[in-house]
Amino acid sequence: QVQLVQSGAEVKKPGASVKVSCTASGYTFIKYYIHWMRQAPGQGLEWMGIINPSGGNTTYAQKFQGRVTMTRDTSTSTVYMELSSLKSDDTAVYSCARGGTVPAGGWIDPWGQGTLVTVSS
Amino acid sequence: SYELTQPPSVSVSPGQTASITCSGDKLGHKYASWFQQRPGQSPVLVIYQDNKRPSGIPERFSGSNSGNTATLTISGTQAMDEADYYCQAWDRSTVVFGGGTKLTVL
Repeated sequence: QVQLVQSGAEVKKPGASVKVSCTASGYTFIKYYIHWMRQAPGQGLEWMGIINPSGGNTTYAQKFQGRVTMTRDTSTSTVYMELSSLKSDDTAVYSCARGGTVPAGGWIDPWGQGTLVTVSS
Repeated sequence: SYELTQPPSVSVSPGQTASITCSGDKLGHKYASWFQQRPGQSPVLVIYQDNKRPSGIPERFSGSNSGNTATLTISGTQAMDEADYYCQAWDRSTVVFGGGTKLTVL
């Protein structure tokens, strides 16, 4: 079955960077785009961006431009999301999810289990 | 930027029909998806392309989308349906989520 497994929880200090991994299985990795979202405690879902595992090209939400980098390693079917210059309000659960086979459109399913990133001094 | 608006909360009695709306400019011209999120769990897709159910989603979940409003309908609501529900659509090449609706079954 299609599965996305993420790396474990992280605690970071303000100003640091965090890199979260998302390893896919159960399907052909390079065929489907991968989305990244986050959810702050008690808040709603926020889309961060999307990566094409085949070519590595990305689209980022304007809010995160310049601060987020999404990359992939096709040899391990893993995508990474790195967020820099962390602030306390970046504390959230970060989740990857499989998208469609085209850069825009398509549905988002399934989701990884989420990775809690806590930013605290 | 494009916005999707949902009511913060909806209440329904067990066995009754729950309707959750999602409003956005010309939303009917786009495809809408709906996600269910139970406490402490990752979101689960329950409706995609306005009215399609993924495998494993009960038939009591249905969707529609016209004009400026998409609607998620849960018929014969069960206690297990109590959760947060989020609508989602694409605006050009970016994904937009609604603010979420807490469905209470009481």
